Amino acid sequence: DAGVIQSPRHEVTEMGQEVTLRCKPISGHDYLFWYRQTMMRGLELLIYFNNNVPIDDSGMPEDRFSAKMPNASFSTLKIQPSEPRDSAVYFCASSYALAGGPRDTQYFGPGTRLTVL
Amino acid sequence: TQLLEQSPQFLSIQEGENLTVYCNSSSVFSSLQWYRQEPGEGPVLLVTVVTGGEVKKLKRLTFQFGDARKDSSLHITAAQPGDTGLYLCAVSNSGGSNYKLTFGKGTLLTVNP
Repeated sequence: DAGVIQSPRHEVTEMGQEVTLRCKPISGHDYLFWYRQTMMRGLELLIYFNNNVPIDDSGMPEDRFSAKMPNASFSTLKIQPSEPRDSAVYFCASSYALAGGPRDTQYFGPGTRLTVL
Repeated sequence: TQLLEQSPQFLSIQEGENLTVYCNSSSVFSSLQWYRQEPGEGPVLLVTVVTGGEVKKLKRLTFQFGDARKDSSLHITAAQPGDTGLYLCAVSNSGGSNYKLTFGKGTLLTVNP
């Protein structure tokens, strides 16, 4: 398997523009996670899905952030409008199970480095 | 206040040296994970420790879970440049619908040749 695939790898945009980040999880994984990593706050969970259904979006910082998973092989994280403080590396991860056993290992994608000017 | 405190924040050593990094908390956890993140990549799981006092070895890496399950350490013997990366510890509040994997801010290790 190719692992978790994210696109684009780098995105530079101007404040106020819409940004869409994409993720293809590992085939067969029922759980998909979106994380954000910054120097100040470290790696934070934004939202996660189970079988394409959003389960917990309490980590989403504001209404400007939204995430969708239209099918088992694709998810998007959208920021509209973007702001400079959204600059970070955004990771997508997937797993077979949620917690408690060898199948709960989360596999991370390479991340999207977002810069909002 | 961070749930997990990792120390040191930065560590730069020469190839062949030994080192230990720490992950501490005031809370008790059922399990704890260690990840390594290389530049430009996502974190990769190294090990999960479950039992208080447990010691796991992965080649030159030795992981220990504290007896009280509040802290953990990672010891690297004879470090190599390939060990360079960000070492993260993480815990989950597994159980129920309020699942969350919480990470420490990590220790950034540089091993110089």
